[in-house]
Amino acid sequence: DIVMTQTPLSLSVTPGQPASISCKSSQSLLHSDGKTYLYWYLQKPGQPPQLLIYEVSNRFSGVPDRFSGSGSGTDFTLKISRVEAEDVGVYYCMQSIQLPLFTFGPGTKVDIK
Amino acid sequence: EVQLVESGGGLVQPGGSLRLSCAASGFTFSSYWMSWVRQAPGKGLEWVANIKQDGSEKYYVDSVKGRFTISRDNAKNSLYLQMNSLRAEDTAVYYCARGVGGSYPRYFDYWGQGTLVTVSS
Repeated sequence: DIVMTQTPLSLSVTPGQPASISCKSSQSLLHSDGKTYLYWYLQKPGQPPQLLIYEVSNRFSGVPDRFSGSGSGTDFTLKISRVEAEDVGVYYCMQSIQLPLFTFGPGTKVDIK
Repeated sequence: EVQLVESGGGLVQPGGSLRLSCAASGFTFSSYWMSWVRQAPGKGLEWVANIKQDGSEKYYVDSVKGRFTISRDNAKNSLYLQMNSLRAEDTAVYYCARGVGGSYPRYFDYWGQGTLVTVSS
């Protein structure tokens, strides 16, 4: 099974400053169909997860453009250009190349300094 | 507006059973794969099960195979999870989620608020 790792596991950020989270998979997430099946979710306190990024770099509807995703193969990054107070929560990466399984990373907790 | 509302959670003894429901609205339910994802208290996310639009295909994480059954009623816009032989390690918030993809879902775009299942004597 594919193992997802995230670093750091926690992050404290000053509002207005950038933040970056790394996600690594134990196998390439590049499918033969040309797509890379890597996704990012944010779970705000007391809420269900919400989709931020699909297929590495595509922002979901309504997601602010301060969020961006990049990477390829086994190494991926979520960047927040200027952190706002509403961005606190736990960020998860998820892979879906190894069907029928979906595997989430352990999560990165982001809070405000 | 897409809405997913779970119900049916509660306290159950080890070895017991529980049936979760998820009421969907705001989209054509019968056109989407649907899924259950769970989160143990203070822990991360774990995909549990998927069901195809017409119910003809179902997939489960190994830890629940033979104990949990996912089903749906497209006429009622509802998703279900029958959980039998429950164990303490099944204690979690269970989320209903809509799957997006082609012949198989690749991600979940909308999630319900979740329902808490506690397995304890």
